[in-house]
Amino acid sequence: EPEVTQTPSHQVTQMGQEVILRCVPISNHLYFYWYRQILGQKVEFLVSFYNNEISEKSEIFDDQFSVERPDGSNFTLKIRSTKLEDSAMYFCASSDSNLRRPDTQYFGPGTRLTVL
Amino acid sequence: GENVEQHPSTLSVQEGDSAVIKCTYSDSASNYFPWYKQELGKRPQLIIDIRSNVGEKKDQRIAVTLNKTAKHFSLHITETQPEDSAVYFCAATYGGIYNQGGKLIFGQGTELSVKP
Repeated sequence: EPEVTQTPSHQVTQMGQEVILRCVPISNHLYFYWYRQILGQKVEFLVSFYNNEISEKSEIFDDQFSVERPDGSNFTLKIRSTKLEDSAMYFCASSDSNLRRPDTQYFGPGTRLTVL
Repeated sequence: GENVEQHPSTLSVQEGDSAVIKCTYSDSASNYFPWYKQELGKRPQLIIDIRSNVGEKKDQRIAVTLNKTAKHFSLHITETQPEDSAVYFCAATYGGIYNQGGKLIFGQGTELSVKP
């Protein structure tokens, strides 16, 4: 069964550095999302993406964040200047337009970002 | 606003007993309510979902009920087993167009512990 994949599994960076988290959504899916989960807390929505543009973003998704679909398979999240509070697990998800299951989102394994 | 409340935060049951987790959602939620199971350090895995055109759905030992009037939905696990031990998240979809592409707003999670 196809799965969402993410790389790297763990990223350690220094405060102020830029990081790019990569995701490969399920191949026939059209909607893409990023969520984050701070250790021990709930999963929080960051941004949704459809038809090569952002559909919606949360208050967390400020000017330091950006998303891109650079080619037909990858979906990336960039944090320009990382802060300590950006340390979290970042999950990518995707969903398709299957009318039987239009809202079902499938999550990747996550990238654990540690900002020192 | 967009909010999902989940209770309890922790739940400990004896193997073979039932477990019930409850969630409430705010007005503007869409029609889709999934439940995810998350084991330590792993991705959220969809275990069951329900759409607002039905009141109950069952899949083997797992069932979900939805009360649209009261705006709450519940997860029921019968004959619990130690491998059911995990954190369970309810979620509701907000936004999107024609039930597609909406973001998931998660509850705070319930840590279920099943003692052998």
